[in-house]
Amino acid sequence: AQSVAQPEDQVNVAEGNPLTVKCTYSVSGNPYLFWYVQYPNRGLQFLLKYITGDNLVKGSYGFEAEFNKSQTSFHLKKPSALVSDSALYFCAVRDEYSYGGSQGNLIFGKGTKLSVKP
Amino acid sequence: DAGVTQSPTHLIKTRGQHVTLRCSPISGHKSVSWYQQVLGQGPQFIFQYYEKEERGRGNFPDRFSARQFPNYSSELNVNALLLGDSALYLCASSLPSNYGYTFGSGTRLTVV
Repeated sequence: AQSVAQPEDQVNVAEGNPLTVKCTYSVSGNPYLFWYVQYPNRGLQFLLKYITGDNLVKGSYGFEAEFNKSQTSFHLKKPSALVSDSALYFCAVRDEYSYGGSQGNLIFGKGTKLSVKP
Repeated sequence: DAGVTQSPTHLIKTRGQHVTLRCSPISGHKSVSWYQQVLGQGPQFIFQYYEKEERGRGNFPDRFSARQFPNYSSELNVNALLLGDSALYLCASSLPSNYGYTFGSGTRLTVV
């Protein structure tokens, strides 16, 4: 079965410093991986996805993620953190099962709370 | 363009009652999925509908049901509410072969 793990409940970073939010995955077949961000009392906002191709994926708001097949990781990164980046971040993998024309569902990690201090 | 819209935004129900949550997908999106997010956890998949047919179901009891209408909007119904059903219910819509899942802001359900 597909799964993702986010080993850190919380990441603390000073504004202007680089940030990394970790994610590892377990899949059968090719992984389809996603990062979403959630601000308080809001839904999920899409940041980026890896389907195939370059291992470095660039996304919204200056975020990027590095796909590493040998380490089964898909860590989220940003060169210079902003206070406004403080939020809950979710890594997700597409389920291996999809049915005629649909895309299958997403399996989410438990989330990592990012706190950026001025 | 309007995004995924969900209604109501907040809801308070009593144990044993029934609730209906609504979702309108992005125009042109034919697939709608429902997720439950309990406080402190990641979203959990409930249902996926595509072209008005159920295409996937998560590990939820039969008290949960859903349907999709000809205009691709969707309803999630939960019967015999339990305190544990208190959660943020998220709807997502997508285009086939795009793998771009767009989420609504959710409905916050509180069961008392």
